[in-house]
Amino acid sequence: GAVVSQHPSRVICKSGTSVKIECRSLDFQATTMFWYRQFPKKSLMLMATSNEGSKATYEQGVEKDKFLINHASLTLSTLTVTSAHPEDSSFYICSATETGGYGYTFGSGTRLTVV
Amino acid sequence: GENVEQHPSTLSVQEGDSAVIKCTYSDSASNYFPWYKQELGKRPQLIIDIRSNVGEKKDQRIAVTLNKTAKHFSLHITETQPEDSAVYFCAASRGGSQGNLIFGKGTKLSVKP
Repeated sequence: GAVVSQHPSRVICKSGTSVKIECRSLDFQATTMFWYRQFPKKSLMLMATSNEGSKATYEQGVEKDKFLINHASLTLSTLTVTSAHPEDSSFYICSATETGGYGYTFGSGTRLTVV
Repeated sequence: GENVEQHPSTLSVQEGDSAVIKCTYSDSASNYFPWYKQELGKRPQLIIDIRSNVGEKKDQRIAVTLNKTAKHFSLHITETQPEDSAVYFCAASRGGSQGNLIFGKGTKLSVKP
């Protein structure tokens, strides 16, 4: 089945630094990938839709200058949390749909802790 | 805006009993309804999904029903086992984009041996 790889799985960074999270579709091409954020014991909240070769579409309330998304190829999307602050600490998960397919697969998630 | 309501937020059942989780959605254009199971600290895993052109789908102990008129869909787990314990999320597609999902808030299911 479709596999989505996400790295790193855990990262601790200092306040004010930037962190890059990668999401890769390993055995399929994904024109579109999605980035979610999940707070402890909460549901998944869509942050943005990442489209290969074009600008990402951000959900209302999500700062696009803070959460930079780059979808440079059909198998890779990156999320960069810029100038991270403690309130950015969360579980970030990507997902991808095979082009022309249905349903989608989640990455393993990244636990970000900003100290 | 679009919204998905999920109930109950917690559910505790005895092993062998059935569990039912219900969701309602607001976007009449939604046409894809997946259910995910998420164990603590792990990624959500798709367990079953249904499209708007069918009313029911079953896969072994898991079934999903959809009522498009009423805009609600339900997950049914029969003969529950302790390993079914997890958080379950329903989701509805935003319009016709099955990859763009709106999630319910989740149901924590506990199956007591």
